[in-house]
Amino acid sequence: AQKITQTQPGMFVQEKEAVTLDCTYDTSDPSYGLFWYKQPSSGEMIFLIYQGSYDQQNATEGRYSLNFQKARKSANLVISASQLGDSAMYFCAMRESGTGANNLFFGTGTRLTVIP
Amino acid sequence: DAGVTQSPTHLIKTRGQQVTLRCSPISGHKSVSWYQQVLGQGPQFIFQYYEKEERGRGNFPDRFSARQFPNYSSELNVNALLLGDSALYLCASSYRATGGETQYFGPGTRLLVL
Repeated sequence: AQKITQTQPGMFVQEKEAVTLDCTYDTSDPSYGLFWYKQPSSGEMIFLIYQGSYDQQNATEGRYSLNFQKARKSANLVISASQLGDSAMYFCAMRESGTGANNLFFGTGTRLTVIP
Repeated sequence: DAGVTQSPTHLIKTRGQQVTLRCSPISGHKSVSWYQQVLGQGPQFIFQYYEKEERGRGNFPDRFSARQFPNYSSELNVNALLLGDSALYLCASSYRATGGETQYFGPGTRLLVL
């Protein structure tokens, strides 16, 4: 089974509007971390936000917030007040603590296009 | 502060050749991980090194190898290149090997195998 599932290959949003990018995960490890990265066409993966499995509150970083629903195993990224520079690929990723390593499992990504 | 750096930025090789990719982590970071990102897919984990020791290995053939140096920089080697090895190779660094450390990625090396 896929550890990270992103079901939206592409999303469009009007500039200044909010958008939600979906992510569901699958793990039996009680301790895990969820990450969102942005990948512009240049290729570099830019860290956006992190949510730990034991965190009580949803993570927020500026215009980014993570809607963490543990029972549903979902970790959706919400981008508020979209900007043209937000157009990029967005990847959800998970790290499982039980592996003893820090490797990330990535989804297939969502391409976000911000329309002026 | 400098981020993760990788060299070269682009590389073209032919089948059967060998390639070495290099990565320098963020200053103070002791863990380096390598990922392969094939076009249209998310990155896939290849290796993690911490304090010069291998801490994790993904599902890649033995043609892939890596090492970490005393200054925490790292090299990824791929032998007997196949067409399917064409990808963006990403290096990521973190301070520790575990514990929820955020990994910060470099710009990647784009490898094309002809």
